[in-house]
Amino acid sequence: LAKTTQPISMDSYEGQEVNITCSHNNIATNDYITWYQQFPSQGPRFIIQGYKTKVTNEVASLFIPADRKSSTLSLPRVSLSDTAVYYCLVGGNSGYSTLTFGKGTMLLVSP
Amino acid sequence: GAVVSQHPSRVICKSGTSVKIECRSLDFQATTMFWYRQFPKQSLMLMATSNEGSKATYEQGVEKDKFLINHASLTLSTLTVTSAHPEDSSFYICSAPPRGAPKNIQYFGAGTRLSVL
Repeated sequence: LAKTTQPISMDSYEGQEVNITCSHNNIATNDYITWYQQFPSQGPRFIIQGYKTKVTNEVASLFIPADRKSSTLSLPRVSLSDTAVYYCLVGGNSGYSTLTFGKGTMLLVSP
Repeated sequence: GAVVSQHPSRVICKSGTSVKIECRSLDFQATTMFWYRQFPKQSLMLMATSNEGSKATYEQGVEKDKFLINHASLTLSTLTVTSAHPEDSSFYICSAPPRGAPKNIQYFGAGTRLSVL
């Protein structure tokens, strides 16, 4: 399993765009990059998944450079309710799998 | 979207008693479910993989006789914490990957906060 490195915490204000970068230097050819969000005392929630270039959904965008050794989760115009821990996971996308969570990034959005 | 229901959301018990936590997939079948434990300000740690119709697979360091897992149907897995002690107090979370979904996409229950007095 590819190891991931994220900032421990980030601070932002309402209305700003937040970019959380994850490093995964040992990513394998068949690995996908998946991000989860976790609010206090709740289970994680899937946000977005990508393999290369850019993926966008109604919640976030995921930017993956050509070498795939890092990825950036972009949250447009954050609100107070986006305060949560964000986890970056890397792993293959077929067959049997378990998820390995790193320490995640604690995002604090202030008024 | 797919929903995983976990019950109870919170339980307080006396030391030495057993506690059962249920995890249900409400609108999909799950042959595999996962159980995690999360201590305050720490990440999720996988405890075991629950397999429908067969024995669970436990991660290294997790006592299988203490954390009993039963996956009797395609929509229900249970975790029983036997003879609970204060050090078992934690946040327990289950997850399930819907059939056909990419394997790194899983749906999580809301978690169970266990407090052992």
